[in-house]
Amino acid sequence: KQEVTQIPAALSVPEGENLVLNCSFTDSAIYNLQWFRQDPGKGLTSLLLIQSSQREQTSGRLNASLDKSSGRSTLYIAASQPGDSATYLCAVRLEDSNYQLIWGAGTKLIIKP
Amino acid sequence: DAGVIQSPRHEVTEMGQEVTLRCKPISGHDYLFWYRQTMMRGLELLIYFNNNVPIDDSGMPEDRFSAKMPNASFSTLKIQPSEPRDSAVYFCASSLVDTHGYTFGSGTRLTVV
Repeated sequence: KQEVTQIPAALSVPEGENLVLNCSFTDSAIYNLQWFRQDPGKGLTSLLLIQSSQREQTSGRLNASLDKSSGRSTLYIAASQPGDSATYLCAVRLEDSNYQLIWGAGTKLIIKP
Repeated sequence: DAGVIQSPRHEVTEMGQEVTLRCKPISGHDYLFWYRQTMMRGLELLIYFNNNVPIDDSGMPEDRFSAKMPNASFSTLKIQPSEPRDSAVYFCASSLVDTHGYTFGSGTRLTVV
């Protein structure tokens, strides 16, 4: 059974720092992996989608990597800003025909001004 | 594109009443998902549709829950009768084919008193 874990559960860093959020999954037979952010009381915003054949994706100050063999993905945020404060979730889609996503519990990120 | 549109944003109802949540997916997307999010259980997939046809409803908690997608631009999630434990944020998401990630709506915060 696929399980997705995100560590740490919460992270607080000063503004301007580069930081890494981690996502690990137990079954490497994934179709893709997606990173989302969720602001308090709001919906989920898709940040980056990595297909199983890809190693990384970049969008602005965000870079997501994927290592299927080790069951890991990282989300790198460069030059963090207070506006980056949110909960970040990763979700994997399995290789089988089921379209269901398996979700991590999220990392709550606070960027201190 | 206006994104995935959900209504209402907030709903407060009394136990035993019928509740209907609405979703308009992104035009052209052929998958639609209903999720429920609570602090205790995180994100749970309730049901998803492909080309308006329900594919997997194994996440629907009880017979009190039902979902329909009468056409490509509209879906409803109905709870009848509602109970306090149904209180949660309900999200709708849509996706295009296999290579694209999910786009979520802003959610409906349901409170059953």
